Amino acid sequence: NFMLTQPHSVSESPGKTVIISCTGNSGSIASNFVQWYQQRPGSAPTTIIYKDNQRPSGVPDRFSGSIDSSANSASLTISGLQTEDEADYYCQSYDTSNRGVFGGGTKLSVL
Amino acid sequence: QVQLQESGPGLVKPSETLSLTCAVSGGSISSGIYYWMWIRQPAGRGLEWIGRISTSGTTNYNPSLKSRVTMSLDTSKNQFSLRLSSVTAADTAVYHCARDCRISSCVVYGMDVWGPGTTVTVSS
Repeated sequence: NFMLTQPHSVSESPGKTVIISCTGNSGSIASNFVQWYQQRPGSAPTTIIYKDNQRPSGVPDRFSGSIDSSANSASLTISGLQTEDEADYYCQSYDTSNRGVFGGGTKLSVL
Repeated sequence: QVQLQESGPGLVKPSETLSLTCAVSGGSISSGIYYWMWIRQPAGRGLEWIGRISTSGTTNYNPSLKSRVTMSLDTSKNQFSLRLSSVTAADTAVYHCARDCRISSCVVYGMDVWGPGTTVTVSS
């Protein structure tokens, strides 16, 4: 089964840059687009990156996404960290049967 | 602007069937470019994809839940539904419905609209 693995948690200081990884266990992560969702406590997830590196309208350009095919991984980079960026972040893609697959989620702390 | 709203019992007894409905407003569920999904999240844990249904009624389910899941579409009411049978405490979670757009013309590809979620507890 296709799975996506993320670090359980990351922390960084305000103004710094953090990178959250999302690694596929099989196949090619580049076979299907990767999305990233931000989830604040008590709220539904919202899209911050789609199609590997596209930002929806309204998402600051401090958020960026990329794919490293050689490492079979995707990354979410958040620069100029702000305290409001504290949240859980999930990567998501699809398997070969078009079923949705989520990473386990990464809790970002901005200290 | 499309909005989704889940509804259903907040408490279900073990071995019974969980039934939830997702009402779609601000757009038609019959639009052929979308899939309609259910995702759940146990307290303090990550997101789990349950399954999806297309506007033609084609379904895909999470293999780990496939034997217990049924999704359906009601175009007359502009809503879709989830049934999960033989529930146990492990099915206790917040259940979200979501819209999934998978074609190049999507404004936002992927799960672009989510309902706020409804909490379902399995307990006697």
